[in-house]
Amino acid sequence: DAGITQSPRHKVTETGTPVTLRCHQTENHRYMYWYRQDPGHGLRLIHYSYGVKDTDKGEVSDGYSVSRSKTEDFLLTLESATSSQTSVYFCAIGRNDQETQYFGPGTRLLVL
Amino acid sequence: DQQVKQNSPSLSVQEGRISILNCDYTNSMFDYFLWYKKYPAEGPTFLISISSIKDKNEDGRFTVFLNKSAKHLSLHIVPSQPGDSAVYFCAASTSGTYKYIFGTGTRLKVLA
Repeated sequence: DAGITQSPRHKVTETGTPVTLRCHQTENHRYMYWYRQDPGHGLRLIHYSYGVKDTDKGEVSDGYSVSRSKTEDFLLTLESATSSQTSVYFCAIGRNDQETQYFGPGTRLLVL
Repeated sequence: DQQVKQNSPSLSVQEGRISILNCDYTNSMFDYFLWYKKYPAEGPTFLISISSIKDKNEDGRFTVFLNKSAKHLSLHIVPSQPGDSAVYFCAASTSGTYKYIFGTGTRLKVLA
């Protein structure tokens, strides 16, 4: 298994609070991704990174920000959590832009 | 606009028979495709890939077929086993875009 960890694995928070999810890799892969998985929508890309300090938006980026200050860490921040952001969040990594992506175990987030 | 579609939300197959999972796409610029399997409470696991320069790729019990003119790919699992019961996602990418677009998934149930 690729060395990807996500923390926390589960989180319950209240509407309006900021939340930060962490993805950590030990593979030294250049590309990192944040997805959310929701019933009927599959996996949707939130943000991705193609290098340290290089990030871009995915298809559902509103309400989310990311940062990548080190190769191994990619942080996803919900600036002011809303109930619509209740979801399962997956991080993925890849060596090049079309390489297979390897996924982390996921973070289950509940926004009350 | 759903660029990658998996029109069958679920599929049931008898153990030992063939499972065929389908995926359609609308963007003719997609040139690399992946299939993932996902068990509950786990991250997606890579199964098999195919480049647009091929029309078939095989790995053990798994074969992916690509029909570029129809913008259609399919995953064949032969023989199907109960452990194959999972949600299967197809994903498509255009080289240089750094990201994949995922379908909504098909839940496969292999009956013993």
